[in-house]
Amino acid sequence: GAVVSQHPSWVICKSGTSVKIECRSLDFQATTMFWYRQFPKQSLMLMATSNEGSKATYEQGVEKDKFLINHASLTLSTLTVTSAHPEDSSFYICSARGRLLQETQYFGPGTRLLVL
Amino acid sequence: AQSVSQHNHHVILSEAASLELGCNYSYGGTVNLFWYVQYPGQHLQLLLKYFSGDPLVKGIKGFEAEFIKSKFSFNLRKPSVQWSDTAEYFCAVNAFVDSWGKLQFGAGTQVVVTP
Repeated sequence: GAVVSQHPSWVICKSGTSVKIECRSLDFQATTMFWYRQFPKQSLMLMATSNEGSKATYEQGVEKDKFLINHASLTLSTLTVTSAHPEDSSFYICSARGRLLQETQYFGPGTRLLVL
Repeated sequence: AQSVSQHNHHVILSEAASLELGCNYSYGGTVNLFWYVQYPGQHLQLLLKYFSGDPLVKGIKGFEAEFIKSKFSFNLRKPSVQWSDTAEYFCAVNAFVDSWGKLQFGAGTQVVVTP
């Protein structure tokens, strides 16, 4: 099956710093990648959608200047949380959808971010 | 507003009992439907999906789901659960009106199977 990895799996940072999270599709080319945020005991909230080589499309209420998304290749997308604050602490999950995989999304293991 | 509703937030049942989790959506057009499972400490995994064809879909680990278009439902079933089925289950919908293939998730149902 399709595999999506994320790095790092967890990160602790100081308030005001920036954190970059990588999402990779290991065995397929991901034309579209999605970034989600999951709060404890809650469902996934879509933050943004990115197509390779294009600007990301952000969901309503998500600050694009705070959550920078880059999808530079067909196997890599990055999410950078800029000037992180404690309220940005969360579980960030990416998913990827490839040309041949049609509409099925495959999810990464997630990255837990704790901002002190 | 378009939404995905999962009827139960928590379900507790004994091993060998049957499981049915409800999922309803409010999109009026063509949809793709999914059930994902998240085991404790693990990432989301695809259980099954419906794109078209036979409305009764069989997935992994003995799960199946039935798409009833008239009821806008996609309920998940398993005839006999095991302790290892303890997990959170999410229903998700991709509406064709959205060309990006974005998924709208339900709130999830926490299933606990007791020995």
